Amino acid sequence: DGGITQSPKYLFRKEGQNVTLSCEQNLNHDAMYWYRQDPGQGLRLIYYSQIVNDFQKGDIAEGYSVSREKKESFPLTVTSAQKNPTAFYLCASSTGNTIYFGEGSWLTVV
Amino acid sequence: QKEVEQDPGPLSVPEGAIVSLNCTYSNSAFQYFMWYRQYSRKGPELLMYTYSSGNKEDGRFTAQVDKSSKYISLFIRDSQPSDSATYLCAMRRGDTGRRALTFGSGTRLQVQP
Repeated sequence: DGGITQSPKYLFRKEGQNVTLSCEQNLNHDAMYWYRQDPGQGLRLIYYSQIVNDFQKGDIAEGYSVSREKKESFPLTVTSAQKNPTAFYLCASSTGNTIYFGEGSWLTVV
Repeated sequence: QKEVEQDPGPLSVPEGAIVSLNCTYSNSAFQYFMWYRQYSRKGPELLMYTYSSGNKEDGRFTAQVDKSSKYISLFIRDSQPSDSATYLCAMRRGDTGRRALTFGSGTRLQVQP
């Protein structure tokens, strides 16, 4: 099936640890995005990538890092520098003017 | 001030009612407008996409854009309990700048059977 796959669905992190969220798409889309959603809030852009080997900071990039070595993959690392990482993380990809989302990953700091 | 403002609700309506959801925006560079539906603990799904001012209809859904007033709406006719979800408006620039979407905070809709 074509789509965007995020893993893991649920992740628990201890304070001070880095964690990496996976995002894979088989839609042949050039652009990929990471958004963060807090309870009762809209989506805020963390990072985006228009093409392979290039990415740009979004509105809330501090404490996060990404890579885009392959067209299909855009992993997000939540570093220990991110002070409030507990949230719902959404990966997306786009072709033309429409953006499609994966099912999300829930990250909780324990 | 946020670039996109959306009433968070919750909005509760009886089954069969017409629902009106709205967003206002401040950045005149926004040229493309979308509505997403998000069920609890799921990723958003694209409902409607519009570019020009005016109306666009798809089944029970109608998207309306008024660029002169910087105001967009989504109407849902004959609302169903399955329409209960959070509705997010989103928009992006029309120039060659950032192509990522800017979202409203979402309106939570509850359709009572």
